[in-house]
Amino acid sequence: KAGVTQTPRYLIKTRGQQVTLSCSPISGHRSVSWYQQTPGQGLQFLFEYFSETQRNKGNFPGRFSGRQFSNSRSEMNVSTLELGDSALYLCASSLLAGETAEQYFGPGTRLTVT
Amino acid sequence: GQQVMQIPQYQHVQEGEDFTTYCNSSTTLSNIQWYKQRPGGHPVFLIQLVKSGEVKKQKRLTFQFGEAKKNSSLHITATQTTDVGTYFCLFRGAQKLVFGQGTRLTINP
Repeated sequence: KAGVTQTPRYLIKTRGQQVTLSCSPISGHRSVSWYQQTPGQGLQFLFEYFSETQRNKGNFPGRFSGRQFSNSRSEMNVSTLELGDSALYLCASSLLAGETAEQYFGPGTRLTVT
Repeated sequence: GQQVMQIPQYQHVQEGEDFTTYCNSSTTLSNIQWYKQRPGGHPVFLIQLVKSGEVKKQKRLTFQFGEAKKNSSLHITATQTTDVGTYFCLFRGAQKLVFGQGTRLTINP
């Protein structure tokens, strides 16, 4: 079974631009979560989707948004990019949503904002 | 809000020495998961603990969940160079998923 895939793997953008990142979960997995990882803040939860519905959201500004499609693929969008948005963005899929759901992470998208 | 403190932040050991990382929560957790992230890699699920006082072993790794379900630990016996990486705990808080800050393990061969 193929793992979680994320595209693109690397991205360079300038301040003020917007970016869309894509995540394809493991086949059959219906839940997708997104995380931001930086050296200073560690792994921080962005949002979680299950069956096209956002179940939970972390403490990020409204510039960060996401969605999930009927095939469980998910996208996250960041508008009006800031230098501080430079990070590794990880998505993780799980079979179901819930406390006991084991998460499978993708390789991440490395975003650099200049 | 619900928080978890993970210590230490860094640990450097000689190969063959033991290693332990701890996660401590201010509130009772329903469960806790542990992940390992190798340098340049992504987090990989190691184990999940659900029951009070639970202890699980995976070869040289021992995971414990405290009796009060407020703390957890991961212990590695006789570290090997393949153990290098950052170890995270994760729990699901009120409407969000919370990672510990991670413990970065480096090993002198």
